[in-house]
Amino acid sequence: KAGVTQTPRYLIKTRGQQVTLSCSPISGHRSVSWYQQTPGQGLQFLFEYFSETQRNKGNFPGRFSGRQFSNSRSEMNVSTLELGDSALYLCASSWGPPDTQYFGPGTRLTVL
Amino acid sequence: QKEVEQDPGPLSVPEGAIVSLNCTYSNSAFQYFMWYRQYSRKGPELLMYTYSSGNKEDGRFTAQVDKSSKYISLFIRDSQPSDSATYLCAMRDQGGSEKLVFGKGTKLTVNP
Repeated sequence: KAGVTQTPRYLIKTRGQQVTLSCSPISGHRSVSWYQQTPGQGLQFLFEYFSETQRNKGNFPGRFSGRQFSNSRSEMNVSTLELGDSALYLCASSWGPPDTQYFGPGTRLTVL
Repeated sequence: QKEVEQDPGPLSVPEGAIVSLNCTYSNSAFQYFMWYRQYSRKGPELLMYTYSSGNKEDGRFTAQVDKSSKYISLFIRDSQPSDSATYLCAMRDQGGSEKLVFGKGTKLTVNP
């Protein structure tokens, strides 16, 4: 069974640009969550989607947004990139609570 | 006080040693407890998933949850060089959200 896939795996952008990251969950999983991982803050929750609805959102500015499609695939968007947005962005999928989450390999974003 | 505290290490042990990794937490609403392993430049991989208090064993790994002390542990028996990775504890409450709160991770090196 294929795992969670994320594209692209690596991305380099400059300040002020915007970026879109994509996540394909494990087949059958309807819940997708996004996390940001940095050396200083560790893994922090961004948002989660279930059946195309955002159910919860973390403490991030409005520049961070996301959506989920009818096939459960999800995208997240970061507008007006800042240097501090450089991080590993991880997507996780599950069947839904109380099932736990399975992570993809992440997209490493570097903002110059 | 952070919701989840985890000693970042680093922790270095000889091959065959018993490794003990720990996290403490402050939110008494947490009911689900997980341990993830993350190799360098990879996404977190689920190792153990426990609901409420008690012990759970899977091969060389044992997870313990003590809700009265708000303390969780992961024990690795007969540690191998391939166990060298960062170990992350994660937890969430019983609500309908998938949001996981992570410790910062402990970096473990097992020396042959």
